[in-house]
Amino acid sequence: GQNIDQPTEMTATEGAIVQINCTYQTSGFNGLFWYQQHAGEAPTFLSYNVLDGLEEKGRFSSFLSRSKGYSYLLLKELQMKDSASYLCAVRGRSNYQLIWGAGTKLIIKP
Amino acid sequence: EAQVTQNPRYLITVTGKKLTVTCSQNMNHEYMSWYRQDPGLGLRQIYYSMNVEVTDKGDVPEGYKVSRKEKRNFPLILESPSPNQTSLYFCASSRDRGGEKLFFGSGTQLSVL
Repeated sequence: GQNIDQPTEMTATEGAIVQINCTYQTSGFNGLFWYQQHAGEAPTFLSYNVLDGLEEKGRFSSFLSRSKGYSYLLLKELQMKDSASYLCAVRGRSNYQLIWGAGTKLIIKP
Repeated sequence: EAQVTQNPRYLITVTGKKLTVTCSQNMNHEYMSWYRQDPGLGLRQIYYSMNVEVTDKGDVPEGYKVSRKEKRNFPLILESPSPNQTSLYFCASSRDRGGEKLFFGSGTQLSVL
């Protein structure tokens, strides 16, 4: 079957760095997405990786290893507004359908 | 402003009373989709549409209907809602199915009593 695993919840301190991991097992692969979702709001796009390596975008970076079925989202200089759920999603090759992880709730403490 | 507009934001109804959740996008996107989000589960796709008059089932289509008569609109219809359809629903669109990112509506919290 197809599966995406991410930790349910993480806690970090304001100003610190946190890494949110995502592992996946899918029948095909055509890209991995990270979305941010604040409580009660819609998900918003953060990053897209289709090739191995690190993509940096300001305070946020995303890494992909296709051979390991692994990705992480790295958040630097954490701010209170980063408290949210972070959703990992994989686009399968067969029909371009997105498979979503359950999300990681990130709690930022002062 | 480019956006996906979804209404209503909150809806409480009773079992069996037909309802429609509207979704409209102003970005001329070809691809539109409906998801439901339940605690502890990832987003699950209900239906999607590749273009006008083209719709297809997602992972959890039972109990739902959709239509795509115009490019901008993609309503979700629950003919006879049941309590297990209590959920948070999101409409989303993208340039095409292979597009890089989805744009989401603000969500509809539905409670079926």
